[in-house]
Amino acid sequence: QLVLTQSPSASASLGASVKLTCTLSSGHSSSAIAWHQQQPEKGPRFLMKVNRDGSHNRGDGIPDRFSGSSSGAERYLTISSLQSEDEADYYCQTWDTGNVIFGGGTKLIVL
Amino acid sequence: QVKLVESGGGVVQPGKSLRLSCSASGFAFSNYVMHWVRQAPGKGLEWVSVMWHDGSNEYYADSVKGRFTISRDNSKNTLYLEMDSLRAEDTAVYYCARGEMATIFYFDFWGQGALVSVSS
Repeated sequence: QLVLTQSPSASASLGASVKLTCTLSSGHSSSAIAWHQQQPEKGPRFLMKVNRDGSHNRGDGIPDRFSGSSSGAERYLTISSLQSEDEADYYCQTWDTGNVIFGGGTKLIVL
Repeated sequence: QVKLVESGGGVVQPGKSLRLSCSASGFAFSNYVMHWVRQAPGKGLEWVSVMWHDGSNEYYADSVKGRFTISRDNSKNTLYLEMDSLRAEDTAVYYCARGEMATIFYFDFWGQGALVSVSS
C-alpha cells in the first residue's frame, strides 16, 4: 500500500530558502506527486505536480519562488525568498488504484 | 477564473442526513472529474469520493462507502455529496476539488470548504 511520509514541521527565516520532503513508500518510487499549500483558516491551494524525473508544473499564479525536484523515492518542494505568507501547512498527494493518498502534512514556520 | 463554492454545511445529529453542494464556474464543468476531500478539526486531508465528468463512474473511501453518495448536474455546473447515517467522526470541513484534466486523481483547484458538525 502506497504511503507518503512528511516531516511534521519545518522552520526557516524570512528571506531564506527551505526544502520540504515527501517520501514515497517502497515499491512506489516512480509515482508523481502534487504539492498543496494550506494557509491558516483557508482551503488548500494547488502548488505544483512533481514527476519522477524532477520536472514540475506549477499551478495558476504560483510564483517561481516555488520549485519542485526529485531524487529516488523523494519528492521535494523548495521555497526561496521566504515570505510571511508562506507560513502554512504543506501536503503532498498522489493516487494508487483509484484511491487518493495524502501525506500527513508539514507545518512550515517562517521565523 | 475557476471558482468552486461549497454550501449546505451545518450541525446535524448522529444518524441523520445532509447534502452538500459545490457550485462551479469559470471552466467547462462537464469536462472535468470532480472530488470531495475532507479535513477533521486539527487533522490532515482525507479524500472522500470522485465522480467522472459524465457521471459514468464514482469511487469512495472505505470510511464512507455505503453511507455517502456523490452526484453531479452538469446542466447546473454543480457537484453534490449526499451524506447519510452521519457519525461524529464525519465532523470535518468538506472541500470540493477539480481533478486535473490529464491525470484526474491530482487536484488543480479547490473550494473554500463547508463545515459539517455531527453532534447530539
